[in-house]
Amino acid sequence: DTGVSQDPRHKITKRGQNVTFRCDPISEHNRLYWYRQTLGQGPEFLTYFQNEAQLEKSRLLSDRFSAERPKGSFSTLEIQRTEQGDSAMYLCASSSLTSGGGINEQFFGPGTRLTVL
Amino acid sequence: GDSVTQMEGPVTLSEEAFLTINCTYTATGYPSLFWYVQYPGEGLQLLLKATKADDKGSNKGFEATYRKETTSFHLEKGSVQVSDSAVYFCALNTGFQKLVFGTGTRLLVSP
Repeated sequence: DTGVSQDPRHKITKRGQNVTFRCDPISEHNRLYWYRQTLGQGPEFLTYFQNEAQLEKSRLLSDRFSAERPKGSFSTLEIQRTEQGDSAMYLCASSSLTSGGGINEQFFGPGTRLTVL
Repeated sequence: GDSVTQMEGPVTLSEEAFLTINCTYTATGYPSLFWYVQYPGEGLQLLLKATKADDKGSNKGFEATYRKETTSFHLEKGSVQVSDSAVYFCALNTGFQKLVFGTGTRLLVSP
């Protein structure tokens, strides 16, 4: 297992277009998180899944954003009608009940950098 | 709500200098505390962690002690290297919930 992977690593799109990102977690991890990181800031929580159930969504996640984890494995994050303010690094992390000795240690992927022109 | 406050950067040091990056937190319950590091062009990596009061996390010469009385988790290293140049994030979580991050502190180490 090589860790959490994300695809694509970079995405440039025009305002108003839809984009979709994919995250593949560590295989035995049942929890999957999405965060957004803007320049000069720390990551901010967007949403998380336990298996295929989406358990929490931040108010940062407007109705243009949707996330899925259909079979409890990989996840997708879609942004519809992108705006320039959506430009950021989108990070995915995964964890399990026992990761980090039971403290929900989260392992991060390399991120997808989105630029909206 | 839960929050983390870090000292603003950049922190600029010469090689072999002593490093301290301050971190304080506000949380309900008893959080676990973390330091993550982000090297240029790379993703977040867990540097060290502590799960209860007075625990000391350590890794790669870095240390941080969970101080409940001062709600702090300051990062220290006795002798920094150029390769330690990165952005350091303090974070917490309570239970099996999301991580709450500070804004990050950039460290620049010159030879």
